[in-house]
Order: sequence, then structure tokens, then C-alpha cells
Amino acid sequence: AQTVTQSQPEMSVQEAETVTLSCTYDTSESDYYLFWYKQPPSRQMILVIRQEAYKQQNATENRFSVNFQKAAKSFSLKISDSQLGDAAMYFCAYRTFGGTSYGKLTFGQGTILTVHP
Amino acid sequence: EAEVAQSPRYKITEKSQAVAFWCDPISGHATLYWYRQILGQGPELLVQFQDESVVDDSQLPKDRFSAERLKGVDSTLKIQPAELGDSAMYLCASSLGGGQSYSGNTIYFGEGSWLTVV
Repeated sequence: AQTVTQSQPEMSVQEAETVTLSCTYDTSESDYYLFWYKQPPSRQMILVIRQEAYKQQNATENRFSVNFQKAAKSFSLKISDSQLGDAAMYFCAYRTFGGTSYGKLTFGQGTILTVHP
Repeated sequence: EAEVAQSPRYKITEKSQAVAFWCDPISGHATLYWYRQILGQGPELLVQFQDESVVDDSQLPKDRFSAERLKGVDSTLKIQPAELGDSAMYLCASSLGGGQSYSGNTIYFGEGSWLTVV
């Protein structure tokens, strides 16, 4: 079974600064997806960024980018120019590539991000 | 923008009572998930449907939990009898496919149903 580990229970950053959230995962598969989700206090899970395992190029979405290291099974999220609205719980998630597991999504434990003005 | 709809948003129930949650996925999404999220933790998968069929219910406490998706569209998750430890957020999510291709691989979540058992 796949596992996802987020080793930072809490992180903080000053507004306009950059912060990196860490994530590692364990799998024996070669094809899969990785995601970062954001869950603000309102509780709805919002997709931040996704990465397909076959792509060597790191995904970027505006101020959000990832550092995907497939061999090391590492998938970190970098938030540049942090804004107060970025404060939330961030979850790293792994999704299997179909087959008998039908695309199961497994979450890490989450990292609480605090943004200081 | 299409959304995953869930109801009720909040439910308070007494121990040993029955409770049910409803989910309507994004139109056309074949895969539907129910997750349970305890405050401060990551969501854990309870059950996954592909159309009307259950493809993963390995973590569903089957003595008290049941889930159905009769016509392959909306779904109901039931708990009977509810226990104090069931207090959590119940999240419904959907995706276009089951992850077998690189299209439709994103999973979208509803706002969740918050259950308090007293």
C-alpha cells in the first residue's frame, strides 16, 4: 500500500516571503499522480497543483511550484510571495494510476501553514 | 463552475441513532469517493465507487456503515448506530475517471458534512 508522509506539522512564513512544504511517499508503482490540496478553515479541499509521474518537468501554477524528485520519492511545494490567503492546512496526496486500485487517493497528515503580516 | 454537492452541512445526533449523508457528484463523473476526516488529520478513504459498483470499501466499518450509489449518480452514506468516535467531517469527492488515463485524473471535493455525536 502507498503511504504519504508530511514531516512538518506546522510551518510559518512572513507575507511576501517564500516557504517550502515537504512531502515524501512510498510506492512500488512507476505511473501515478501527485497532488497538493489546500484546506482553509472553511474546510473545502481545493486543488493547488498536480504532477504526473511520467513528466520530468516540475509543475507550476502562478505562485505555486513543486520540486518532484521521482527517484527520491519526494514532492515538495514551494509558495512564493506568500499571501495572507495562503494560510490553511496543506495536504500532499498520491493517486494510483488505475488498474485494480481504481485511482485511490491517499493523503498525508497535513501541514498547517501560518502567514504573518 | 460545477461542484460536488453534499448535505447536510452539519448534523448533531445522539449516540445509537441513525444518520445519513447525501452526495451529488459533478455531472458525468464516474468515480465517487467518501472520506472521513478527523479534526487535524488527513482524510481517510471509506468507500470508492466506479459508476454503481463498489471498488474499495476496505476501510469501511461494515457493521455500522453502509454506502450506496444505486444509479451510478448520487450516493448516500449511512451510519447506524452512531458512536461517539464517529464525530468527524465526511467528505464526498468525484472524478471523471478512475485514474486509468492521464485525463480526468483530478479529484474534486464537496464542502463536507460535519457530524457530531453526543
